[in-house]
Amino acid sequence: DIQMTQSPSSLSASVGHTVTITCRASQSISSYLNWYQRKPGKAPKLLIYAASSLQSGVPSRFSGSGSGTDFTLTLSSLQPEDFATYYCQQGYSSPYNFGQGTKLEIK
Amino acid sequence: QLQLQESGPGLVKPSETLSLTCTVSGGSISSSSYYWGWIRQPPGKGLEWIGSVYYSGNTNYSPSLKSRLTISVDTSNNQFSLKLRSVTAADTAVYYCARQTSTSLNWFDPWGQGTLVTVSS
Repeated sequence: DIQMTQSPSSLSASVGHTVTITCRASQSISSYLNWYQRKPGKAPKLLIYAASSLQSGVPSRFSGSGSGTDFTLTLSSLQPEDFATYYCQQGYSSPYNFGQGTKLEIK
Repeated sequence: QLQLQESGPGLVKPSETLSLTCTVSGGSISSSSYYWGWIRQPPGKGLEWIGSVYYSGNTNYSPSLKSRLTISVDTSNNQFSLKLRSVTAADTAVYYCARQTSTSLNWFDPWGQGTLVTVSS
């Protein structure tokens, strides 16, 4: 199985600032990496697929990069609605494991 | 707009079978472009992919749950279902259903709202 490790597990930031979340795979997954946002009581939402492709309707302040084993999700100019938990997920091979999540809180 | 909705008992006794159904609306479950998956999140833990089913009935299961798991599809009612046998407290979680692309990218979107299933006597 491919294990996914996210860091940090939580972080605090202010509105308008930029934050970066990292995700590392235990082996190369090429660009088969997806990012999700989850807010309490709501369904998880796909933000980015294939490491860097923005899902339709997702604001351009979200961006993803990386390939192989190391990936990043960058949130620029944070908005109040961006404070949530973010998960990476590898789509390279079954089982399609997720990272443990990064909780983004308002400072 | 495609929507998914989970339904089923919120409380299951240990050793019994957890059964959930996901109803798909706003689109056909018989699309060749997608699988239909189940994902869960135990309290305080991360997301765990459980398994997925294609409209033809082909399935793909997590190895850790495979021995207890059955996922099936009902194309006539645009639904797919999960049955997890011999449950324990460790199976307590919010269970989500989601559409999964059948491309090699294997992303999940959209998701249902999720339903909490508690395993307790």
